[in-house]
Amino acid sequence: KQEVTQIPAALSVPEGENLVLNCSFTDSAIYNLQWFRQDPGKGLTSLLLIQSSQREQTSGRLNASLDKSSGRSTLYIAASQPGDSATYLCAVLNAGNMLTFGGGTRLMVKP
Amino acid sequence: EPEVTQTPSHQVTQMGQEVILRCVPISNHLYFYWYRQILGQKVEFLVSFYNNEISEKSEIFDDQFSVERPDGSNFTLKIRSTKLEDSAMYFCASGARGDPRGETQYFGPGTRLLVL
Repeated sequence: KQEVTQIPAALSVPEGENLVLNCSFTDSAIYNLQWFRQDPGKGLTSLLLIQSSQREQTSGRLNASLDKSSGRSTLYIAASQPGDSATYLCAVLNAGNMLTFGGGTRLMVKP
Repeated sequence: EPEVTQTPSHQVTQMGQEVILRCVPISNHLYFYWYRQILGQKVEFLVSFYNNEISEKSEIFDDQFSVERPDGSNFTLKIRSTKLEDSAMYFCASGARGDPRGETQYFGPGTRLLVL
């Protein structure tokens, strides 16, 4: 059974710092990996999707990498801003077309 | 930009009552999903739906749950006899005009269900 783990569970940084969020998964037979953002009490917003054949994807200040063989992904956020404060979720798509989610990293960026 | 919508945003019900959660997926999507998130826990997959039938379901999705696409736009989740442990945020998602393995799933804002 696929298990997805995210560390750290919480992170507090001053504005302007570059930061890295980590995600690991136990079964490397994935179709893709997605990073989502969740604001308190709200839905999930898709940030980046990396296909299993890709190594990384970039969108603005966000860069996500994927090492499928070792079961790891990182989300790099450059020049963090207070508006980046949210919970970041990593999810992998397995056979059966279901997403398996990690527990999230709760990020606080202080002005 | 098209988005997934869900109604109601909040629902309070008594244990044993039936609830129906409603979703309007993005119009040209072919795959539909329900997930739930119990407070403080991970988002969990419940069921996927394609071509008017369930394509996959988790062990959570027992006989008390059912899904339906009654018309061309709505997608519903019914819980027949709610339990206290059904209290959670329920997310609808839709995705894929083609191969779902290559496309993201778009999530709605959720329905917060509280069972008393």
